[in-house]
Amino acid sequence: GAVVSQHPSRVICKSGTSVKIECRSLDFQATTMFWYRQFPKQSLMLMATSNEGSKATYEQGVEKDKFLINHASLTLSTLTVTSAHPEDSSFYICSARDISGDLRNEQFFGPGTRLTVL
Amino acid sequence: DAKTTQPPSMDCAEGRAANLPCNHSTISGNEYVYWYRQIHSQGPQYIIHGLKNNETNEMASLIITEDRKSSTLILPHATLRDTAVYYCIVRLPGSARQLTFGSGTQLTVLP
Repeated sequence: GAVVSQHPSRVICKSGTSVKIECRSLDFQATTMFWYRQFPKQSLMLMATSNEGSKATYEQGVEKDKFLINHASLTLSTLTVTSAHPEDSSFYICSARDISGDLRNEQFFGPGTRLTVL
Repeated sequence: DAKTTQPPSMDCAEGRAANLPCNHSTISGNEYVYWYRQIHSQGPQYIIHGLKNNETNEMASLIITEDRKSSTLILPHATLRDTAVYYCIVRLPGSARQLTFGSGTQLTVLP
């Protein structure tokens, strides 16, 4: 149990295009999902916290108009990188928090999405 | 959440035990020690967590000192697939806050 999937696993796009990344909790409900970004040889940095049915909360320095987050259901959150540029190339990782049972409030991570902007 | 300190890198011979230390001298009484690892180009994976007693599961053992200011993650028989960055995180269980990752320890298992 407690599986989180991400799609796509890797994407290459041209500068100026938008890219959508999906994060799904497959066997549990998640009212909260977190989006992290990881540059080469660095640790994971939290970008935003996504709450089902409400607006996301962004960390300082993260542009909310560039990184659009939608959390429309208890099992799906999406991150859209709008007008992507080469500096947005990174490894994007989502995690979901289980709200029920023995795993209450533990975070489970997706496999990550490698974004390369040409 | 309390701050943790880990060595940036360690090597271990395949088949030997890997002992990864973590200092958390400011840990509060009800905070747990969690360990995650991240294999290259994958998402973090939960390993183990504990409060004050030693813990063991199918992946690893966790030894927490009596004063709880430090801990050691033990991989009893390291394999090449255990090469990863290992993160020690201190937090309250069930906390609504996100997991915050430090720089971790890059463990390289050598053949």
